[in-house]
Amino acid sequence: EAGVTQSPTHLIKTRGQQATLRCSPISGHTSVYWYQQALGLGLQFLLWYDEGEERNRGNFPPRFSGRQFPNYSSELNVNALELEDSALYLCASSLEGTSGLYSYNEQFFGPGTRLTVL
Amino acid sequence: SQQGEEDPQALSIQEGENATMNCSYKTSINNLQWYRQNSGRGLVHLILIRSNEREKHSGRLRVTLDTSKKSSSLLITASRAADTASYFCARGGSQGNLIFGKGTKLSVKP
Repeated sequence: EAGVTQSPTHLIKTRGQQATLRCSPISGHTSVYWYQQALGLGLQFLLWYDEGEERNRGNFPPRFSGRQFPNYSSELNVNALELEDSALYLCASSLEGTSGLYSYNEQFFGPGTRLTVL
Repeated sequence: SQQGEEDPQALSIQEGENATMNCSYKTSINNLQWYRQNSGRGLVHLILIRSNEREKHSGRLRVTLDTSKKSSSLLITASRAADTASYFCARGGSQGNLIFGKGTKLSVKP
């Protein structure tokens, strides 16, 4: 069974540009989560999509947005890139999402997209 | 913000030795998950332990959970150089997300 896939592996942009990152979940998984792992800041939650809807977002500005398609794949868009957006962006998928405190669902991660903003 | 704390932050051992990593958390949980991350790459799911479980095994991995102390430990027995990685514990957050600790960086020397 294929795992979570992400593309591209690496992405280099300049400040002010837009970046688009893509994620395909494990077959049968309907929830997709995006996390940012910046140097020294650990893994920070960005967005959660389930059944095509944005369910929740972390403490990030609106220029971080995304969507989930009918086939449950997802796209993360980062507008007006800033130098501090340089990070590893990780996508995870799980079976139907539930609000995490009572969630029994394991999240399975993709290999990540390394975004570098120059 | 991070609400789990792993210790130690870094651990260096010889191949064949056992490695123990600890994780503490502050709020009630229904489960705790452990992940491994090889340098700069994605996270690999290792084990999920539910709040009504005290111990769980998977191959050379053993995870314990003490809900009264709000702590968990991950033991890797007979470590190998390939176990060199960062290890994270994670618990469910109220936004559907996982909340990760800062991780333990394990180095296994051949």
